[in-house]
Amino acid sequence: GENVEQHPSTLSVQEGDSAVIKCTYSDSASNYFPWYKQELGKRPQLIIDIRSNVGEKKDQRIAVTLNKTAKHFSLHITETQPEDSAVYFCAASLNRDDKIIFGKGTRLHILP
Amino acid sequence: GAVVSQHPSWVICKSGTSVKIECRSLDFQATTMFWYRQFPKQSLMLMATSNEGSKATYEQGVEKDKFLINHASLTLSTLTVTSAHPEDSSFYICSARAGAPRDTFGSGTRLTVV
Repeated sequence: GENVEQHPSTLSVQEGDSAVIKCTYSDSASNYFPWYKQELGKRPQLIIDIRSNVGEKKDQRIAVTLNKTAKHFSLHITETQPEDSAVYFCAASLNRDDKIIFGKGTRLHILP
Repeated sequence: GAVVSQHPSWVICKSGTSVKIECRSLDFQATTMFWYRQFPKQSLMLMATSNEGSKATYEQGVEKDKFLINHASLTLSTLTVTSAHPEDSSFYICSARAGAPRDTFGSGTRLTVV
């Protein structure tokens, strides 16, 4: 089955700087890659997603890139702010009817 | 936007008793609902996938007789933890899908078994 690896497990970034979180997946047939943000004790919130027919997607300060050949995808957050502090999960799914497999998460700390 | 309601948000129960958790899609019909378990500082681990009107598909290692899932309608799925034990204490989260893999999560249920 699909396996999603995520790095780093913890990331501390100075406020205003950029943060990058990287994930790899094992099943080349996966074609949907969402990113979720989870604050302590809260539900995961979808922040951005990308499908395999697109190499990059951007939404304001957040961008995701996908390299299908290498089977890795990354989340980029620019101009980080204190409210960006949370746990971020990458995930992968084979198709619209399939389950989503999550990475282990990255705890992002934005330092003042 | 899509809203998923999950109740209760927290529950404390005695060891050996059963607990039922509800997950409702409020403004859309969910063809599929997923149940996850999340231990502190860990990722979401999929427990089972349920489709309306059919039996749930459980992930390897998840006891189907212990974690009973019912998906009787397109807007409601329930998870019952039977004969709960302290090791079942966790954060349980549901998610609902309406035909595309942009799943909407419920607010989660923190279960503590004493």
